[in-house]
Amino acid sequence: AQSVTQLGSHVSVSEGALVLLRCNYSSSVPPYLFWYVQYPNQGLQLLLKYTSAATLVKGINGFEAEFKKSETSFHLTKPSAHMSDAAEYFCAVDTGGFKTIFGAGTRLFVKA
Amino acid sequence: DADVTQTPRNRITKTGKRIMLECSQTKGHDRMYWYRQDPGLGLRLIYYSFDVKDINKGEISDGYSVSRQAQAKFSLSLESAIPNQTALYFCATSDPGSGRPETQYFGPGTRLLVL
Repeated sequence: AQSVTQLGSHVSVSEGALVLLRCNYSSSVPPYLFWYVQYPNQGLQLLLKYTSAATLVKGINGFEAEFKKSETSFHLTKPSAHMSDAAEYFCAVDTGGFKTIFGAGTRLFVKA
Repeated sequence: DADVTQTPRNRITKTGKRIMLECSQTKGHDRMYWYRQDPGLGLRLIYYSFDVKDINKGEISDGYSVSRQAQAKFSLSLESAIPNQTALYFCATSDPGSGRPETQYFGPGTRLLVL
């Protein structure tokens, strides 16, 4: 069965610092992976998705993620955090049954 | 106007009451989903519908029922609410014509408190 594990339920960074949110997947077939973001009092919205076309995926708001098959990882990064990046981030995997399984989420705090 | 809307946005009810959460979309998508979000557990799938005549149980369907009244409308009912159904509920849609992987588009959520 396919699954994702997000390492760290909370991450705190200073404004301007590197953001790194970790996601590892488990899949017996090449996975389709997503990162979604949930801002306070809003629904989830897509940040980026991996479709196997390229291992480095660029998303909105300066975020990117790199698919590493050898490490079964799909970590999300942003070079310089902004206060507006404070949100909860979810890694997710398309299971092939047209259903998506979400990780537990990582809440990002950005300190001034 | 929002593409995926949910009503109500907040609801307080008592144990044993029947309640309905409604979802409407203007995106023209065939696929619709209901999730619940609990702290530390992420989103868990309650029910999903691939079209008006195709409704399927998700991983946590016990205690819930759904109705797909039209392509644009998908309602979630709690027949007899219990306190552990207190959660944030999301409706989502996706378009099978967009190819895999399908992006899901979420409503703003309904915060439900069962006393």
